[in-house]
Amino acid sequence: GAGVSQSPSNKVTEKGKDVELRCDPISGHTALYWYRQRLGQGLEFLIYFQGNSAPDKSGLPSDRFSAERTGESVSTLTIQRTQQEDSAVYLCASSPWGGNTIYFGEGSWLTVV
Amino acid sequence: QKEVEQDPGPLSVPEGAIVSLNCTYSNSAFQYFMWYRQYSRKGPELLMYTYSSGNKEDGRFTAQVDKSSKYISLFIRDSQPSDSATYLCAMSEQGAQKLVFGQGTRLTINP
Repeated sequence: GAGVSQSPSNKVTEKGKDVELRCDPISGHTALYWYRQRLGQGLEFLIYFQGNSAPDKSGLPSDRFSAERTGESVSTLTIQRTQQEDSAVYLCASSPWGGNTIYFGEGSWLTVV
Repeated sequence: QKEVEQDPGPLSVPEGAIVSLNCTYSNSAFQYFMWYRQYSRKGPELLMYTYSSGNKEDGRFTAQVDKSSKYISLFIRDSQPSDSATYLCAMSEQGAQKLVFGQGTRLTINP
């Protein structure tokens, strides 16, 4: 079946602009995660959704970052007033019920110039 | 100090060699331990999953967890060029949804 789908796969934006990154999880997966991976670094947890609620948003780096999930499916990560340090790969993952076996998408590669 | 430490490498070995990849951690509450493989410009894929201490084997891959030393390892036997990738360790606490990742080790297997 289809895996986790993310769009856009690549995005170049000017500093100060807002960006939206989209994630389509595997069908039927109730848990959804966003991680960030800077060049040469491991993954940093951003936020976790169970259904449409976000019980853990402790990893969001600042109030410029927000995420929502609707219909227990698609999620959008929004970064407002982008800064150069926001340049990274933003990875979405999903799991059937929130266990430790999670499946990643291929990421959205964001470059802020 | 990071919660999870992993040597970034790069590590380069000849085909057929045994590869040893390691992570250390500081949080004694970690109970679940995972290894992910990440090919260039791809998302990570789960390779091995272990709960608490002990060994787990899957084909050419063996994962070991030593909670007393806060040390985990991944061994790859009969390494192949297709094993060339970045290997990330990850771990989590009981009941937590957040995975804490190491920096990743970049591995190259030379034919």
